[in-house]
Amino acid sequence: QKEVEQNSGPLSVPEGAIASLNCTYSDRGSQSFFWYRQYSGKSPELIMFIYSNGDKEDGRFTAQLNKASQYVSLLIRDSQPSDSATYLCAVNPGGPDKLIFGTGTRLQVFP
Amino acid sequence: DAGVTQSPTHLIKTRGQHVTLRCSPISGHKSVSWYQQVLGQGPQFIFQYYEKEERGRGNFPDRFSARQFPNYSSELNVNALLLGDSALYLCASSPTDAVLGQETQYFGPGTRLLVL
Repeated sequence: QKEVEQNSGPLSVPEGAIASLNCTYSDRGSQSFFWYRQYSGKSPELIMFIYSNGDKEDGRFTAQLNKASQYVSLLIRDSQPSDSATYLCAVNPGGPDKLIFGTGTRLQVFP
Repeated sequence: DAGVTQSPTHLIKTRGQHVTLRCSPISGHKSVSWYQQVLGQGPQFIFQYYEKEERGRGNFPDRFSARQFPNYSSELNVNALLLGDSALYLCASSPTDAVLGQETQYFGPGTRLLVL
């Protein structure tokens, strides 16, 4: 079993819709959770982080964490074509600054 | 403020050669981590350094080594290059050494290494 799992996609949504990206992790002791966006040929760019169960909102983005289910998600409201990218879920199991990444979900927002 | 910087941006080497990649963290950040990202995969953790000490190591062979300097910049060295070492090498910095793993890491632009 992979430590962090994501559906590779592509996830295709129309402009203006809500995009829902999901991630599960295996280490129950994981402490913090991150979503990065990566455009083709570029490096990962931090979108959000979440440490506690529940929802965290930042503009059009909402991260949701459920530690009991070992599940973290990212919702993107009012999706724009510029949101088209690969979204990487990353988990820090605690201790050193070590992030364990999923393989990423490719999001396509079409006009 | 400048973000994380890395050099060189691109590099072409042949099998068996050695390579050195460089990273300067965000000003004020003391922790540097290195990741390898092969095409189609998420980044894989290689090393973390804090205050010049290795604090974490991923599942990479001894051909990979790193160090951190007093100004918190870092070098990643890879010896005896293999074709499979072709990847995007990412450096990330964070302000401190996270005891609870809650420090946010910010990535540099990466060095794209091609081994022929």
